[in-house]
Amino acid sequence: GENVEQHPSTLSVQEGDSAVIKCTYSDSASNYFPWYKQELGKGPQLIIDIRSNVGEKKDQRIAVTLNKTAKHFSLHITETQPEDSAVYFCEEDMRFGAGTRLTVKP
Amino acid sequence: NAGVMQNPRHLVRRRGQEARLRCSPMKGHSHVYWYRQLPEEGLKFMVYLQKENIIDESGMPKERFSAEFPKEGPSILRIQQVVRGDSAAYFCASSPGRGAYGYTFGSGTRLTVV
Repeated sequence: GENVEQHPSTLSVQEGDSAVIKCTYSDSASNYFPWYKQELGKGPQLIIDIRSNVGEKKDQRIAVTLNKTAKHFSLHITETQPEDSAVYFCEEDMRFGAGTRLTVKP
Repeated sequence: NAGVMQNPRHLVRRRGQEARLRCSPMKGHSHVYWYRQLPEEGLKFMVYLQKENIIDESGMPKERFSAEFPKEGPSILRIQQVVRGDSAAYFCASSPGRGAYGYTFGSGTRLTVV
């Protein structure tokens, strides 16, 4: 978990559109990939995670996909709403990506 | 079932003073992690502790910073002789184990050094 690259750093979408955030990791032995949402003035909150034995996991409007060959995992938010506006972080073995500031315009 | 409790929420210290940040993990969690976050930046790993043991402190500055997680009581992050550059939000997280577990974060301590 030495290096987790997260893109994009900022993302602005119209309400109802989809948003995709991607993280690339370095340790091929990693087997757990979570995503966190941080709202202003609060601590990060786990919103979805995936283990290496599956390629995709969904929870209502959010999903996470994993590509172990390419060593990247992505967060997908569909039908975005203004309350989805926040900073999103991926994490791998205690190291966090730099974050993506998502803005959903009404 | 209380989550991760951090206190104080806000702490103001003058340069040269000591800052003590406390973190009580979620019930049943014996693994604690400390992170530092500057405004508009990401979460920088500082230290990972289990009860009475420091497992990984590779992210902690070698001087002035120390952490502990005693058998009884909360985990403590101590910053001695604070400088203005120490001003940041410090978050604590806990988990039931290392590896395939998500973290539960506290609300953070916002340290301001004046």
